[in-house]
Amino acid sequence: DGGITQSPKYLFRKEGQNVTLSCEQNLNHDAMYWYRQDPGQGLRLIYYSQIVNDFQKGDIAEGYSVSREKKESFPLTVTSAQKNPTAFYLCASRATSGLSGANVLTFGAGSRLTVL
Amino acid sequence: GQQLNQSPQSMFIQEGEDVSMNCTSSSIFNTWLWYKQDPGEGPVLLIALYKAGELTSNGRLTAQFGITRKDSFLNISASIPSDVGIYFCAGQIGDNRKLIWGLGTSLAVNP
Repeated sequence: DGGITQSPKYLFRKEGQNVTLSCEQNLNHDAMYWYRQDPGQGLRLIYYSQIVNDFQKGDIAEGYSVSREKKESFPLTVTSAQKNPTAFYLCASRATSGLSGANVLTFGAGSRLTVL
Repeated sequence: GQQLNQSPQSMFIQEGEDVSMNCTSSSIFNTWLWYKQDPGEGPVLLIALYKAGELTSNGRLTAQFGITRKDSFLNISASIPSDVGIYFCAGQIGDNRKLIWGLGTSLAVNP
């Protein structure tokens, strides 16, 4: 079955450590996204990538970094510069053809990061 | 930046009741999407709308793209306990590839 796999599901880290969250998709989608979700704040866009080797900052990119070396993979690194990293992180992908259905995001199951 | 106003913020209903929630904006949208998120999981698409006035159903769910293109609503008929979750609206303006998200409606269903 095609889909998006995020790992790990739960991650605990000490303050000051960098952590990398994995996101892999086998949907052959061109665009990939990372969102952060905090209670009562909805989904906030961290970074997105429309094509391999290219990515753009979203609304809350400070303290995060990404790479897009392969179409299938879009890992997110939460750096020690992120002041409040404890959150639920969601990865999504989207086809970028001209069809109207291409606007739809498909999400992974999320990764919950807790910084102790 | 652009905002979506989603209401109500939360609802607590009895099983079997109908539910209605909506999203409004001052901007014109060309796509409206409705997602449901179960606790600890990623959002799952319920209904996608692409034309002003479009009314689309998915089982007990019905959503409409407002005529003004500035709003959308989602109705759930005869609610059941598994309807519990957070419902999000999201929209696209023009060719902007970034979706704009509402803050969600948290639904609780009392059996």
